[in-house]
Amino acid sequence: QKEVEQNSGPLSVPEGAIASLNCTYSDRGSQSFFWYRQYSGKSPELIMFIYSNGDKEDGRFTAQLNKASQYVSLLIRDSQPSDSATYLCAVWSSGTYKYIFGTGTRLKVLA
Amino acid sequence: DAGVTQSPTHLIKTRGQQVTLRCSPISGHKSVSWYQQVLGQGPQFIFQYYEKEERGRGNFPDRFSARQFPNYSSELNVNALLLGDSALYLCASSLARTGDEQYFGPGTRLTVT
Repeated sequence: QKEVEQNSGPLSVPEGAIASLNCTYSDRGSQSFFWYRQYSGKSPELIMFIYSNGDKEDGRFTAQLNKASQYVSLLIRDSQPSDSATYLCAVWSSGTYKYIFGTGTRLKVLA
Repeated sequence: DAGVTQSPTHLIKTRGQQVTLRCSPISGHKSVSWYQQVLGQGPQFIFQYYEKEERGRGNFPDRFSARQFPNYSSELNVNALLLGDSALYLCASSLARTGDEQYFGPGTRLTVT
């Protein structure tokens, strides 16, 4: 089992729709959770972080964390073609003192 | 404020050579981490340095080494380059070492021929 798992996609959504990206992790000691956006040929850009169970909203983005089920998700409302990118989920564990990344989900927003 | 900076942007080396990559963190950040990212994969953790000491190491061979300087900038060294070392090398900085948000630099694209 991979430490952090994401569906590689591509996930295609029409412009204006909600995109839902999911991530599961295996280490129950994980404490910090991050979503990064990475455009082709560029470095990852931090878009959301969440530390507690529940929802955290920032503009069009909502991160959701459920530690009991060991998953974290990212919702993008009113998706735009400029949101088309790879979204990386990252998890930090106090047990390993490492940030572990998933392989990313490629999102395509269709105009 | 300036973000994380890395140099050089691109690098082409020959198998067996050695390479040094450089990173300057965001002002006030004391932790620097290095990652290797190959096409189609997420970043793989190589090292974390905090307050000039190695605080974490990923599953990379001893050919990889790093250090952090008093001004918190960092260097990553890779010896005896292999073709498989071709990748995007990313530096990320954070305030501390305990799960804070990390911010990435633009990366160094290393090609080994």
